[in-house]
Amino acid sequence: SQELEQSPQSLIVQEGKNLTINCTSSKTLYGLYWYKQKYGEGLIFLMMLQKGGEEKSHEKITAKLDEKKQQSSLHITASQPSHAGIYLCGADKGNAGNMLTFGGGTRLMVKP
Amino acid sequence: EPEVTQTPSHQVTQMGQEVILRCVPISNHLYFYWYRQILGQKVEFLVSFYNNEISEKSEIFDDQFSVERPDGSNFTLKIRSTKLEDSAMYFCASSGDRTYEQYFGPGTRLTVT
Repeated sequence: SQELEQSPQSLIVQEGKNLTINCTSSKTLYGLYWYKQKYGEGLIFLMMLQKGGEEKSHEKITAKLDEKKQQSSLHITASQPSHAGIYLCGADKGNAGNMLTFGGGTRLMVKP
Repeated sequence: EPEVTQTPSHQVTQMGQEVILRCVPISNHLYFYWYRQILGQKVEFLVSFYNNEISEKSEIFDDQFSVERPDGSNFTLKIRSTKLEDSAMYFCASSGDRTYEQYFGPGTRLTVT
């Protein structure tokens, strides 16, 4: 079965700083998803990457997929307190309707 | 903006009781899912549902669990005889036919006492 490892597990940054979260898969990555979760709440969809080398951005958040390394990274530029939360990566098996396997999450705190 | 909704937000039940968790997926979506997250642990897949049947299920989804789409809008997860270890946040999700993105509901926190 596929395992996703996220690093770091937690991160505290000063407001305005940039940061990167990594997600490494034990198997080939097909669809890679990034979600944000506030403690005790639902998962908010951020973006999905499907092709090697693909890069997507939403506001100040950019995600990349490195198929060869079986890895994805999430980069936040000029972090704000509103970016605080738990970031989860998830992976499917390449087909519509597939289950998602999730990583353990990265807890981000942004100090004002 | 369309969203997945779930009811109730919090359910407390006694061990051995049956519970039904309800979800209204995004209206034009065709794939429906249930996941759960035990406090402090990873989000885990339970089951996926397409074209009125289960398309995939995990080892967690044993005979105590069932899913149903009783009408054109609701999607339910039933746990027949709850156990203490069923205490978790249960998330419903849905996705469309042409895009793979899965959109999650806010979750139902199930507490089994």
